Amino acid sequence: NAGVTQTPKFQVLKTGQSMTLQCAQDMNHEYMSWYRQDPGMGLRLIHYSVGAGITDQGEVPNGYNVSRSTTEDFPLRLLSAAPSQTSVYFCASRGVSGELFFGEGSRLTVL
Amino acid sequence: DQQVKQNSPSLSVQEGRISILNCDYTNSMFDYFLWYKKYPAEGPTFLISISSIKDKNEDGRFTVFLNKSAKHLSLHIVPSQPGDSAVYFCAAYYNAGNMLTFGGGTRLMVKP
Repeated sequence: NAGVTQTPKFQVLKTGQSMTLQCAQDMNHEYMSWYRQDPGMGLRLIHYSVGAGITDQGEVPNGYNVSRSTTEDFPLRLLSAAPSQTSVYFCASRGVSGELFFGEGSRLTVL
Repeated sequence: DQQVKQNSPSLSVQEGRISILNCDYTNSMFDYFLWYKKYPAEGPTFLISISSIKDKNEDGRFTVFLNKSAKHLSLHIVPSQPGDSAVYFCAAYYNAGNMLTFGGGTRLMVKP
């Protein structure tokens, strides 16, 4: 039972580079979301999706794009990475009882 | 401005004693609250939740209390075990359940 799978686990980028963090879930959940975790800030919502073809902004969406072409996948794109985007990123999907199931995280460093 | 706050960044408790983790919120529109536990290098895992229509929910060693008038919730762990050592996040839903906002976390250390 894979749950929520994120790739890559670690990534180092230079300022201005672009990349995509991949997220896939095998629980047939309609709701998926991306969070970033920074020291003392908890987890902050970047973008979320309530189903294929539907996405919306969270608390800190600037600098990130998302799309949802299938129920299973919810990639997060950084178009031009900045040092302020150095963080640990978590993808999550939501079960019927409202709890989120998180992936193991992707640690991104932008130099 | 954080709408969910955990004012204690860390807490140290002796094994077998009670751990009490606190959380305050400012948005009266929050209607569902959750606690998550996080170990290093892992994603957060769901622990326990409570609806705003209740004031207590219990699951084994874990109990969550909600005081709506004070906009305060707490997580009690009894008895505490060394395996409970982790970072604990409280979280609250709003926007028709589409946005879950988290507190900054409290690091719990349970000493043998």
